[in-house]
Amino acid sequence: DVKVTQSSRYLVKRTGEKVFLECVQDMDHENMFWYRQDPGLGLRLIYFSYDVKMKEKGDIPEGYSVSREKKERFSLILESASTNQTSMYLCASNPTGTGATLLHFGNGTRLTVT
Amino acid sequence: DAKTTQPNSMESNEEEPVHLPCNHSTISGTDYIHWYRQLPSQGPEYVIHGLTSNVNNRMASLAIAEDRKSSTLILHRATLRDAAVYYCIPRMGGPRETSGSRLTFGEGTQLTVNP
Repeated sequence: DVKVTQSSRYLVKRTGEKVFLECVQDMDHENMFWYRQDPGLGLRLIYFSYDVKMKEKGDIPEGYSVSREKKERFSLILESASTNQTSMYLCASNPTGTGATLLHFGNGTRLTVT
Repeated sequence: DAKTTQPNSMESNEEEPVHLPCNHSTISGTDYIHWYRQLPSQGPEYVIHGLTSNVNNRMASLAIAEDRKSSTLILHRATLRDAAVYYCIPRMGGPRETSGSRLTFGEGTQLTVNP
């Protein structure tokens, strides 16, 4: 069965800390995505990647960076965490050629920044 | 991206059909209509997509209006496990469209299924 695994389900960090959120998929998918989900705002795309070492900004990239050194792993980095980055973070992947279909999501990391 | 309008919430009884509407009056001719759902404490999962013709799969059916300005997701017999937030997303996303992966999720419809 297809699997997207996010390393932590819950995370609590302090303001100013550097935070790494890890996502691994076991489906050999080319495309990977990071979203955040907030009440009243739905899911918003932060960054995505079409291939190893490639990345593109989504709708809200400010305050975030990403790393894709291996095909199966896509990391989201908060360089200096702030309280407004408290949110649910969702990773997703799908293969090239499927467009917007068949996005596979992980179960999310709920990050609290205090 | 085309704008969508979905009811904030809907309620159904178990084993009854559910029709979840979506208006997307600004949809372009090349936008597919995608539906995802999100169960409690889980990430979204793909349900179905279509372009012009009605579509069926093991999870649901998708009825698309002739002018494509609206669509309806149909769950033929709702179960308790179908209680979720349902998202309707018009977006380019045919097999040759890679940028269509960049989906924008709105607030969706919270479906409650009563036993």
